[in-house]
Amino acid sequence: QSVLTQPPSVSAAPGQKVTISCSGTTSNMGNYYVSWYQHLPGTAPKLLIYDSNKRPSGIPDRFSGSKSGTSATLGITGLQTGDEADYYCGSWDISLSAYVFGSGTKVTVL
Amino acid sequence: QVQLVESGGGVVQPGGSLRLSCAASGFTFSSHGMHWVRQAPGKGLEWVAYIRYDGSDKYYADSVKGRFTISRDDSKNTLYLQMNSLRAEDTAVYYCAKDRFGVGVTYFDYWGQGGLVTVSS
Repeated sequence: QSVLTQPPSVSAAPGQKVTISCSGTTSNMGNYYVSWYQHLPGTAPKLLIYDSNKRPSGIPDRFSGSKSGTSATLGITGLQTGDEADYYCGSWDISLSAYVFGSGTKVTVL
Repeated sequence: QVQLVESGGGVVQPGGSLRLSCAASGFTFSSHGMHWVRQAPGKGLEWVAYIRYDGSDKYYADSVKGRFTISRDDSKNTLYLQMNSLRAEDTAVYYCAKDRFGVGVTYFDYWGQGGLVTVSS
């Protein structure tokens, strides 16, 4: 069972928007930054968002991140078939002295 | 550009040992913390271990503590994961990942392609 909670799946039509929630505690997201990763099976995961709301160079502004208290959200606008992947949130957990990932959310483009 | 290439995976019997390697290039390896992350079949990502840029600080997931050891050789730009007392539940694709900074666990800005470890009799 993951320390951070995400919905198992979200879906929308091409061009639409999806949001993925990530819920934690004061031991992790409440006091530390959140990062988001995109993972297509069989490939290397890719960093999408760091420090809760910053995008690395090369990541389109269709991807956005926000955080409030112990919850964070990843938004994807202008959904494309290439966005079909698993998405994970992650954060440091001071109580566990460990990095924790969310359970992962599968994005499906209808 | 940054490259991380894992090697050393394979099939091992329960209770056996295996050492994974991760060859790094395209950045100053000795200035960055490094991680191992794994994904078991049909499961999500699980962080395994971290080593600080100078090797002076290490952290492990409870699931591997006392069985796995992370280490680094800056002269070879290589990260290692020594895995002992392997169990069936350690079967996974193991990724090495670069931390953005040298001190403290922050986030993983580059990942390798992964290496498969299968624990089976």
